[in-house]
Amino acid sequence: QTVVTQEPSFSVSPGGTVTLTCGLSSGSVSTSYYPSWYQQTPGQAPRTLIYSTNTRSSGVPDRFSGSILVNKAALTITGAQADDESDYYCVLYMGSGIVVFGGGTKLTVL
Amino acid sequence: EVQLLESGGGLVQPGGSLRLSCAASGFTFSSYAMSWVRQAPGKGLEWVSAVSGSGGGTYYADSVKGRFTISRDNSKNTLYLQMNSLRAEDTAVYYCAKGLGGFTTPRGFDYWGQGTLVTVSS
Repeated sequence: QTVVTQEPSFSVSPGGTVTLTCGLSSGSVSTSYYPSWYQQTPGQAPRTLIYSTNTRSSGVPDRFSGSILVNKAALTITGAQADDESDYYCVLYMGSGIVVFGGGTKLTVL
Repeated sequence: EVQLLESGGGLVQPGGSLRLSCAASGFTFSSYAMSWVRQAPGKGLEWVSAVSGSGGGTYYADSVKGRFTISRDNSKNTLYLQMNSLRAEDTAVYYCAKGLGGFTTPRGFDYWGQGTLVTVSS
């Protein structure tokens, strides 16, 4: 079974830029997987950031952007702020109505 | 404003059943695929199941196939998840999530409910 991979953790300095990635245990991610990204803080419901590779959800600042980098989906955060400290999850569409979440990346801003 | 409100969670014994509901408002419910996503305590998000806007297509993660049934009542703008043969590993917060427009199957989610906790324990 194909696994969706994410970095378990990442850190960024305030004001800095960080790129989180979302890959496959076998194969390359393309726009056909409709990669999407979600932010979640402890005790809260997820918040949609990016869908269909690079479309920002309503109200999401343009500091957040999505792309395909080499063979992975990527979420880039520019000008990192303290309240960006969260868990970030990607989702890939596998076809036949099935979607799979990555294991999540815990982002620390320090 | 899109709103999704889950209900029906609670404590149930292993082997028992529970039905979750998600009341939707603020959008044309029948036009969108809907999903259930869960999160076990201290763990990541896991997609559980989805249903097309018409209700004619249903999709399940392998972990719940044969035990859970997703359905919807478009006249009531409500999504359901019937959970049977529950196991301790089904303990989680269950979220309903609205699918993106233009697709009969989920290609991602744009709105989420606040979740309802299901605890499977004796």
